[in-house]
Amino acid sequence: QKEVEQDPGPLSVPEGAIVSLNCTYSNSAFQYFMWYRQYSRKGPELLMYTYSSGNKEDGRFTAQVDKSSKYISLFIRDSQPSDSATYLCAMRSSSGTYKYIFGTGTRLKVLA
Amino acid sequence: GAGVSQSPSNKVTEKGKDVELRCDPISGHTALYWYRQSLGQGLEFLIYFQGNSAPDKSGLPSDRFSAERTGESVSTLTIQRTQQEDSAVYLCASSLGTGNEQYFGPGTRLTVT
Repeated sequence: QKEVEQDPGPLSVPEGAIVSLNCTYSNSAFQYFMWYRQYSRKGPELLMYTYSSGNKEDGRFTAQVDKSSKYISLFIRDSQPSDSATYLCAMRSSSGTYKYIFGTGTRLKVLA
Repeated sequence: GAGVSQSPSNKVTEKGKDVELRCDPISGHTALYWYRQSLGQGLEFLIYFQGNSAPDKSGLPSDRFSAERTGESVSTLTIQRTQQEDSAVYLCASSLGTGNEQYFGPGTRLTVT
């Protein structure tokens, strides 16, 4: 079992829809969580960085962490065709190595 | 300001040759990370630097892979005697300090023929 699991998709939604992207993890020590967007043949672009549990909002993006369920989510409101990309989650524990573990990414397609 | 840059953007090499991949982090970022991304795969951690030291090299796949960082700035990832399975995109990221959010470069696409 991988430490971080992410549905590869593709996830297809109509323009304007609310998108929910998720990751589950097995290591209860994970405390720091990041979401990245990666366009084809580009480097990942940081969207959200959160610590521990709770919600964080930035524009159309909301990151949610549920440590009791070992589950994190990224919500995209009013999705646009330009949001079509692969979304990667990443996480690490608060002790030991500063290595981040990445999910394999979910491919999102927003249809005009 | 300038982001993370990597060179070359593409590299095609013959099996058995050595290659060097370069990463220039964001100025002032003390931590630097190398990852590998194969087709359809997530990011595979290779190594990270804090300053010029590498506290965690656990992701380097074999002793053919090595990396160094000088002047708390530029880093070079070297792959000796390349194999076809080394073909991938090699990504570099930097952060203000270890554990902070990471900012990625555009990657180097390596193809071993």
